[in-house]
Amino acid sequence: EPEVTQTPSHQVTQMGQEVILRCVPISNHLYFYWYRQILGQKVEFLVSFYNNEISEKSEIFDDQFSVERPDGSNFTLKIRSTKLEDSAMYFCASREQGKSGELFFGEGSRLTVL
Amino acid sequence: DAKTTQPNSMESNEEEPVHLPCNHSTISGTDYIHWYRQLPSQGPEYVIHGLTSNVNNRMASLAIAEDRKSSTLILHRATLRDAAVYYCILRDLIFQGAQKLVFGQGTRLTINP
Repeated sequence: EPEVTQTPSHQVTQMGQEVILRCVPISNHLYFYWYRQILGQKVEFLVSFYNNEISEKSEIFDDQFSVERPDGSNFTLKIRSTKLEDSAMYFCASREQGKSGELFFGEGSRLTVL
Repeated sequence: DAKTTQPNSMESNEEEPVHLPCNHSTISGTDYIHWYRQLPSQGPEYVIHGLTSNVNNRMASLAIAEDRKSSTLILHRATLRDAAVYYCILRDLIFQGAQKLVFGQGTRLTINP
């Protein structure tokens, strides 16, 4: 069964460093998302992406965050200068055209900022 | 986003049916009802969705009240692997494009052996 894959599974970084989280969505999917989940809290929407541009972003997704689909297969989330409060599990999701409510999520990348 | 209300936690026994309730009294006529679940240390997983009629798939059944102000996710025969947080989410049918899903706190389901 096709799946969304995310790398790395866990990254530890120092505050102020740049981090790139990578995702390979399912191949025929056209809509892409990033969510995050701080330990013990809700899954929170960060950003949605379609047709090579951001469709919607949340208040969390400030100027320190960016997304890119550099090569038609990868979908990346960059955090320019990490803060302690960016420590969370980051989930990538994708879906195909015509199935608006059926998102497929990856297993997540755990980011720890020290 | 229309609001849903779910119990914080529920407990059931292995091999018994589980009924997970969700109240959505402010649902609009164009809102789909979606259920996702999140197993420990994993990303959310789609379970089922419906609009007005009851729905069945290989994972679960969704029973939707006639007035659509509530719904129930039914796991017919729970296994230990069904222990997870279950989320009831509303999504607008009319909205086109990369519509986000908004997750609440969900119901933490514990399955006893």
